[in-house]
Amino acid sequence: EAEVAQSPRYKITEKSQAVAFWCDPISGHATLYWYRQILGQGPELLVQFQDESVVDDSQLPKDRFSAERLKGVDSTLKIQPAELGDSAMYLCASSLAGDREGAGELFFGEGSRLTVL
Amino acid sequence: AQTVTQSQPEMSVQEAETVTLSCTYDTSESDYYLFWYKQPPSRQMILVIRQEAYKQQNATENRFSVNFQKAAKSFSLKISDSQLGDAAMYFCAYMTGTASKLTFGTGTRLQVTL
Repeated sequence: EAEVAQSPRYKITEKSQAVAFWCDPISGHATLYWYRQILGQGPELLVQFQDESVVDDSQLPKDRFSAERLKGVDSTLKIQPAELGDSAMYLCASSLAGDREGAGELFFGEGSRLTVL
Repeated sequence: AQTVTQSQPEMSVQEAETVTLSCTYDTSESDYYLFWYKQPPSRQMILVIRQEAYKQQNATENRFSVNFQKAAKSFSLKISDSQLGDAAMYFCAYMTGTASKLTFGTGTRLQVTL
C-alpha cells in the first residue's frame, strides 16, 4: 500500500542550528501539505503545494522557515535558525487534486518529531 | 475565520460499548465539509469519516457514524462496539468547498478499557 514517506523520524538540534525535513508523497498526488503539530494541539497548516506551486503559506514563519517542491514531487521543509518554540511534530500529507468525491482525504506520513534544545 | 472546537480533551469507553465525541465549528460558508481523523499512538493520521454540508443524511462507516446538526454547527462522532484498536487521538476537521485546506480541532484522546 502506498504511503507518504518522511525523514528523519526524529531530530534533536540546538537552537540557532539549521534543520531540514523531507517528504515523498504518494505517487500521483498533486497536492502536498506541511503541517505542524505542537504537543496537545491539532495540526496547523504551514504550507500547501499544488504541483510545484505554493497555494497557501500564510501561516509559514517566512523569516526562518522555507519550503520547496521543485519538481512537483518530493518536498523539503527547512528551519534556519531553529528556536525552542519550534519543537513539534512536522507532518507531511498528500492528496489527489480535484473532485468532491475525495475532497479532504489527506494521506499523512508518520511525521518528523523535532526537539530544539 | 473558521474555528473547530473539541471540548473533551479525554474520553474513556469500555470495550464493546458506545462512545460519542463532540465537535462544534463556526463558519459563515454554506459549502463545506467536516471530517473525523484518527491518530493512533506513533502511527499516521487517517481519515475516519467525512460529511458534506449539503447532505442531510448522516455519514456512516461501519462502526463509525456522525450526528451532523447543521443549524447548531455540531458534528459528533459515535463509535459503536468499541475495540481496543480504537484507542487514539481523534481530530475533528473542517474544510470549505472551494479550498483544500483542513482546519483541525485540538483533539480528543480516547481510551478503550477492558
